Amino acid sequence: EDQVTQSPEALRLQEGESSSLNCSYTVSGLRGLFWYRQDPGKGPEFLFTLYSAGEEKEKERLKATLTKKESFLHITAPKPEDSATYLCAVQASVPGNTPLVFGKGTRLSVIA
Amino acid sequence: DGGITQSPKYLFRKEGQNVTLSCEQNLNHDAMYWYRQDPGQGLRLIYYSQIVNDFQKGDIAEGYSVSREKKESFPLTVTSAQKNPTAFYLCASSIDAGASTDTQYFGPGTRLTVL
Repeated sequence: EDQVTQSPEALRLQEGESSSLNCSYTVSGLRGLFWYRQDPGKGPEFLFTLYSAGEEKEKERLKATLTKKESFLHITAPKPEDSATYLCAVQASVPGNTPLVFGKGTRLSVIA
Repeated sequence: DGGITQSPKYLFRKEGQNVTLSCEQNLNHDAMYWYRQDPGQGLRLIYYSQIVNDFQKGDIAEGYSVSREKKESFPLTVTSAQKNPTAFYLCASSIDAGASTDTQYFGPGTRLTVL
């Protein structure tokens, strides 16, 4: 069974204090790993798709990396507006359209 | 503006009533999805549809029903058989690229509360 585990459940940072969020996964062949940001009471906003081990993608203060067993979302010098829940999801590499499997998310709070 | 709309934003239901949540997209996406989100839980898939007039059950389909009569619309009905329907409901769509990785884009959500 495909599984996604995110850690920590919650993270509190001071503004400017860099850190990383972890997404560990088990999947029967990886087609893609997705990161989303979700603000309270809103739908998830797409951030990145990673396809293969060693791949990295960046967007402003965020950088996502991928290994064969986990992905990290690095946040460099975060600002209060980066506060949100960050969701990780995987899609298995099987024929046809396969649904995403989501982790429970990491709730990030950045304090000014 | 292209995107996914969900209505209403807030919905209140009395026990024993069926309610229908609306989801519309103008992205020309083939695939559409319904998820349920509870506090402290990940998104759980209710139903998905890859093409008009066809849909598949997800992990928690019991007590829910869907239809896909038009490409741009995928309404979800929460029936009285759903024992614990209070939750945040999210609709998503994707191009449905077959063998390629297929990014899902989400609507703003509907919060359903049973009184």
